[in-house]
Amino acid sequence: DAGITQSPRHKVTETGTPVTLRCHQTENHRYMYWYRQDPGHGLRLIHYSYGVKDTDKGEVSDGYSVSRSKTEDFLLTLESATSSQTSVYFCAISQGVDNEKLFFGSGTQLSVL
Amino acid sequence: ILNVEQSPQSLHVQEGDSTNFTCSFPSSNFYALHWYRWETAKSPEALFVMTLNGDEKKKGRISATLNTKEGYSYLYIKGSQPEDSATYLCAFLAAGNKLTFGGGTRVLVKP
Repeated sequence: DAGITQSPRHKVTETGTPVTLRCHQTENHRYMYWYRQDPGHGLRLIHYSYGVKDTDKGEVSDGYSVSRSKTEDFLLTLESATSSQTSVYFCAISQGVDNEKLFFGSGTQLSVL
Repeated sequence: ILNVEQSPQSLHVQEGDSTNFTCSFPSSNFYALHWYRWETAKSPEALFVMTLNGDEKKKGRISATLNTKEGYSYLYIKGSQPEDSATYLCAFLAAGNKLTFGGGTRVLVKP
């Protein structure tokens, strides 16, 4: 298994609070991604990173920010959590972007009450 | 936002039977097509990355074909076993874009 660790695995929080999810990899892969998984929508890309301090938006980036200060860590922050952000969040990594498969973390179940 | 459709959304298969399902994607600007298997309570795992029209990939009893000109890929499971029960995701990569996932096909193999 690829060395990807997501933390926390589960979190319950209240509307309006900030939340940070962490993805840590030991593979030294250049690309890191945050997806959310919701029924009927499959996996949707929130943000991705193509190197330290290099990030870009995905298709559902509103309400989320990311940071990557080290190759191995990619943080996803919900600035002010809303109930619509209740979801399962997956981190993924890849060596490159062209024809390279993704390796996924175990996911974080986030509930915003 | 690119449209990637998978059909059917779910299917039940009797153990030992073969089955197949479809991923449809835009036929223009194709770069790659991925297939992932996602078992309950686990993370998605890559099955295939396909890049050439007419490509065929095989892994054990699972195989996939690719038609980039008409924008579809088939995933086949031969002689289904209970351990094949999972959600199968396809993901389309257009040139200059990031992977766009389909909604998945959930396969349940009945003993």
